[in-house]
This record gives sequence, C-alpha cells and structure tokens, in this order.
Amino acid sequence: QKEVEQDPGPLSVPEGAIVSLNCTYSNSAFQYFMWYRQYSRKGPELLMYTYSSGNKEDGRFTAQVDKSSKYISLFIRDSQPSDSATYLCAMKHSGNTPLVFGKGTRLSVIA
Amino acid sequence: DAGVIQSPRHEVTEMGQEVTLRCKPISGHDYLFWYRQTMMRGLELLIYFNNNVPIDDSGMPEDRFSAKMPNASFSTLKIQPSEPRDSAVYFCASRLPSGGGNEQFFGPGTRLTVL
Repeated sequence: QKEVEQDPGPLSVPEGAIVSLNCTYSNSAFQYFMWYRQYSRKGPELLMYTYSSGNKEDGRFTAQVDKSSKYISLFIRDSQPSDSATYLCAMKHSGNTPLVFGKGTRLSVIA
Repeated sequence: DAGVIQSPRHEVTEMGQEVTLRCKPISGHDYLFWYRQTMMRGLELLIYFNNNVPIDDSGMPEDRFSAKMPNASFSTLKIQPSEPRDSAVYFCASRLPSGGGNEQFFGPGTRLTVL
C-alpha cells in the first residue's frame, strides 16, 4: 500500500458545480497537509496548507483534514473552467521532512 | 525573484546517451528537491539537499542516476546511460530553511524523452 492514495480521475464537472477531491494516507505521523494545483505543462503550485486536523477556507476552496480517519479533502465551490488542472495532495511528518505526494486527480470544469 | 529555473525545458536523446538536467533554486532557499513525474507513478522524490549536502537519495532509481549541488545556486541531475524508461518530466523544487515556511516552490520542469 502506498503511503498516500489519490484517485487519479479524470473528473469532469459542469461549471458552477461543487467539486470534492480526496486522499487517504497510512502514516499516522503525518502532521502537515497540502494541496497543490498543477496546470498542464507547468510545475505544481501550493493551493492550500493545513496543520494537523480541522478545516481551512480560502475563497472558493476549503481544505479538511480528519486525522482519525487518515483522510483529507479539498472542496471547490462554484467551480470555474480556470479550475481545470491536476490537484495533488501532499503531506509530511515535520518541518524538515520532504513532502509525500499523491498521484494527483485530473479535473475538467466544462463551461 | 524569477522563481526556480530549470534547463533545458525539453530534451530528446537516444538510449545510451548522457543527460544532464540543471536547476537554479530561489535565492535564500537552502532545501533543494529533485522529483520525477510520470502518469503511472505520479510525482516521485529522487533526492534532496540541505545546505548543498545530499540528505536522502533513497529515491534515486539506480546507479545510472547521480545528483550534485556544488553551491547554493546550482544543482545537476545526471543520467548515464539513459534508457527509454527514464522518459518523464523532471522537476526541481526549493524551500526556505526550516521555520521559514513549508511551501516547496517548483520549477517548470524538464520533459525528457529517451528514444
């Protein structure tokens, strides 16, 4: 079992839909949780960052972490065609350790 | 700042040839990471450096791969000899010192094709 599991999709939704992206993980030592967005032929860029459990909201994006279930989610409200990208979850144990990435979910928002 | 700079952006080579990928991290960042991305395996960490010193190279697939960081502003990833299964996008990323932030900043990647 990989440390981080993420459904690769692809996921296709109409404009304005609510999108839910998820990752599960096996290592209970993970404390830092991130979502990166990667547009086609570009490098990943940090979208959301959460420490430990709880929710974090930034505009149309909400990140949730449930450490008891080893499950993290990213919600996108009022999705736009510009949200079409690959979304990668990432996590790590502590400040000095490298990130472990999921394989990414490819999202298409259709106008 | 120009961000993380990688060169070349695209590389097409024949099996058996030596390939050298280059990276310039963001000034002031003391962590540097090399990743490989494929559809099958996703984004895999190959090696990372802290203050120019390799910390963990357990992700390097085999002895054909080597990486160096001779100074704080330059790193190379070399594949010798290259094989078709090395075809992938190779990313370099850098990060501030611990306590200065958790975000890894990625370069645009080098798309490598080995024929």
